[in-house]
Amino acid sequence: DTEVTQTPKHLVMGMTNKKSLKCEQHMGHRAMYWYKQKAKKPPELMFVYSYEKLSINESVPSRFSPECPNSSLLNLHLHALQPEDSALYLCASSQDVPGASNQPQHFGDGTRLSIL
Amino acid sequence: DAKTTQPPSMDCAEGRAANLPCNHSTISGNEYVYWYRQIHSQGPQYIIHGLKNNETNEMASLIITEDRKSSTLILPHATLRDTAVYYCIVRASKTSYDKVIFGPGTSLSVIP
Repeated sequence: DTEVTQTPKHLVMGMTNKKSLKCEQHMGHRAMYWYKQKAKKPPELMFVYSYEKLSINESVPSRFSPECPNSSLLNLHLHALQPEDSALYLCASSQDVPGASNQPQHFGDGTRLSIL
Repeated sequence: DAKTTQPPSMDCAEGRAANLPCNHSTISGNEYVYWYRQIHSQGPQYIIHGLKNNETNEMASLIITEDRKSSTLILPHATLRDTAVYYCIVRASKTSYDKVIFGPGTSLSVIP
């Protein structure tokens, strides 16, 4: 069982829909991440939040909008997605202690997103 | 962060040791070697990491060569549940959070 919980597990949406992916962790981690993974490819980093502030945006299109309302929650708001955005979306978290450089990430099992 | 090279696939007989190699010839002195794995339909799972010395935990052992240009992940008694894609990652955190870049990994098949 993973300590990072993602909902929903599966999502099918049309290109004009608005939906949100949710991620939750209760390990006291202060860094949270969104990754995108296409079939048979490795995960690709999208966003990093550190202490609820967006620290990294890997040039992700604006139709993906992340939000970190508190230290335990991470959302990814979706709007006007394209069929090529169909993928597994993974959330991860890690401790974020200044000066500590070797802290592994803990991943959820992802949301499988299909765009019709 | 240094680039890593792994074989695309490997087979291992159930009950035998699985030895997964990783080359990281451009690794610098402050970079750690990390291993994650991803079982089908699950998120990646952290296995182990090390800097210079060999490391062992309940899941695996990590052997890093003296020149740190390569490493081997050892699963001592592979089971069918160890069938997964194994990612070797080299990184140094310049910030207090880490940015993990996944390569293609090695697809390990444990065969009955």
